[in-house]
Amino acid sequence: NAGVTQTPKFQVLKTGQSMTLQCAQDMNHNSMYWYRQDPGMGLRLIYYSASEGTTDKGEVPNGYNVSRLNKREFSLRLESAAPSQTSVYFCASTGQAFSYEQYFGPGTRLTVT
Amino acid sequence: LAKTTQPISMDSYEGQEVNITCSHNNIATNDYITWYQQFPSQGPRFIIQGYKTKVTNEVASLFIPADRKSSTLSLPRVSLSDTAVYYCLVGGFSGNTGKLIFGQGTTLQVKP
Repeated sequence: NAGVTQTPKFQVLKTGQSMTLQCAQDMNHNSMYWYRQDPGMGLRLIYYSASEGTTDKGEVPNGYNVSRLNKREFSLRLESAAPSQTSVYFCASTGQAFSYEQYFGPGTRLTVT
Repeated sequence: LAKTTQPISMDSYEGQEVNITCSHNNIATNDYITWYQQFPSQGPRFIIQGYKTKVTNEVASLFIPADRKSSTLSLPRVSLSDTAVYYCLVGGFSGNTGKLIFGQGTTLQVKP
């Protein structure tokens, strides 16, 4: 039982490049989330998926798109990376729709130059 | 979602009890209080959640007074490995899907 896994662990992009961050969970959870964490800051919600087939914007969705591929997988895409998107990205999941006990992945450290 | 205020940083020594207080004056009737712990280079980890009075688990205790405008996370006999950032979150269940709003958290430094 790996919990929540994220790939890649590290990535460096040039401004304007695109990439997809992958997240998968093996806990049969319904809800999945993408957060970003900037240095010295708390986490900010980018997008979330309450259940398979649905996605909604969080606090800071601009510049990102998401896909809930199936119940296990939730990907985050940067279409045209900008230096302001340099951050650590965390994926999380939770089993019950109204549970605040979220399980987080190890994070992806992204640098945009 | 209710805004929370907690100290930016705290220092303690091994073996001491640590209490971190969080203010949430605008907490709504259906809001729960949740605490997370985050170590460097790791994702946050759920510690404890409560609605009122006292909740205790194997890691910590959470004290919530009757007016629920504040809460205190209590860590008994801390060790060096408890050095981390601790986040207090307040949120309700009505019409949402467990969205968490993180503040800046409290950085706890445990010294030998």
